[in-house]
Amino acid sequence: DAKTTQPNSMESNEEEPVHLPCNHSTISGTDYIHWYRQLPSQGPEYVIHGLTSNVNNRMASLAIAEDRKSSTLILHRATLRDAAVYYCILSDAGGTSYGKLTFGQGTILTVHP
Amino acid sequence: KAGVTQTPRYLIKTRGQQVTLSCSPISGHRSVSWYQQTPGQGLQFLFEYFSETQRNKGNFPGRFSGRQFSNSRSEMNVSTLELGDSALYLCASSENGQGYSGANVLTFGAGSRLTVL
Repeated sequence: DAKTTQPNSMESNEEEPVHLPCNHSTISGTDYIHWYRQLPSQGPEYVIHGLTSNVNNRMASLAIAEDRKSSTLILHRATLRDAAVYYCILSDAGGTSYGKLTFGQGTILTVHP
Repeated sequence: KAGVTQTPRYLIKTRGQQVTLSCSPISGHRSVSWYQQTPGQGLQFLFEYFSETQRNKGNFPGRFSGRQFSNSRSEMNVSTLELGDSALYLCASSENGQGYSGANVLTFGAGSRLTVL
């Protein structure tokens, strides 16, 4: 599985934008970039995913570098509810990938009031 | 739509016992995956089922097993429990079909927290 590298922790203030970086220098052409987050005492929650182009949804935006070796999850206005562990994951097609996401240690996001 | 439902939410067992955990996927989702989460190892993939067949398996001993029923509900079983099996067990469902693309999104349940004494 191609690996991702994320900072261990980041801090933000409420209502400010947050940019969470992820490096994936060994990404293959068919790897999708996924972001999940896990709030305390809950299961992981899907945030966003993309392949090559930048993506937006109601939760966040995903900015993908032109060479695809890095990406950034953007939370436009952080709230206290966004405090969670954020995981950047590469997901490929194929039999060895059925149902399998390889989670790293993620980035612990702290949001200050 | 109801989310992924896992039961029980909490349970305590002793070493040597066995445990069965249940997962009801989102209606229409035919793929069910199981994960183990511990403070030391993080989130690790156990196995995935689709149409009652195990399609993928992680690196866990044979004490960990699962099955899927015709209504897509799934169970996982851990036999001869060890202290190290204490963990949060998470189930996730996906609406992917026969094929699997890297774009598939998993929806996780809240988990079953197992404590082995």
